[in-house]
Amino acid sequence: DAGVIQSPRHEVTEMGQEVTLRCKPISGHDYLFWYRQTMMRGLELLIYFNNNVPIDDSGMPEDRFSAKMPNASFSTLKIQPSEPRDSAVYFCASSEVKDRVPQETQYFGPGTRLLVL
Amino acid sequence: RKEVEQDPGPFNVPEGATVAFNCTYSNSASQSFFWYRQDCRKEPKLLMSVYSSGNEDGRFTAQLNRASQYISLLIRDSKLSDSATYLCVALNNAGNMLTFGGGTRLMVKP
Repeated sequence: DAGVIQSPRHEVTEMGQEVTLRCKPISGHDYLFWYRQTMMRGLELLIYFNNNVPIDDSGMPEDRFSAKMPNASFSTLKIQPSEPRDSAVYFCASSEVKDRVPQETQYFGPGTRLLVL
Repeated sequence: RKEVEQDPGPFNVPEGATVAFNCTYSNSASQSFFWYRQDCRKEPKLLMSVYSSGNEDGRFTAQLNRASQYISLLIRDSKLSDSATYLCVALNNAGNMLTFGGGTRLMVKP
């Protein structure tokens, strides 16, 4: 299995531009999570999906952030308009369900390093 | 106050040393606990789960004290390759959301 795939791996953009981050979870995984990691705040959960449905988006910082999961193999996190304080590493992670029990282990993608100038 | 708190370090130890990390959590309803390892500029990866009875995996031992809401990780005979950031993680009682501590950085030197 290829693991969780994220693109782009690096993104440099200017303040005010739209940024779209992409994630492909591990095939067969039912849960997908978006995290943001900064030096100041550590690793924070932004939003997660179960079977493509957003379950908890309480970690999304503000209306400039939106996330979608149109199908089981693809999710996007969009920032519009972007601001310098959005600079961070954004990780996508997925986990599976076995025998109707959510498994605790989350598998992380390599992350997208975002720099907003 | 953060829900999961760790000493950020860095812990600088010589090869072969024994080193211990501690972590406290504030949500007594947290269901399970884990240690994840994150190498520089890489993604976090599960190192081991933490059980009340203690959990040992080779040179690594994890312990949970629910009464004190305290988690520990002990690394024996540390190797250069153990250099990384160790993240203490709590799973919520619904079993679907992880809360990460800020991480403790370990540097093992020759």
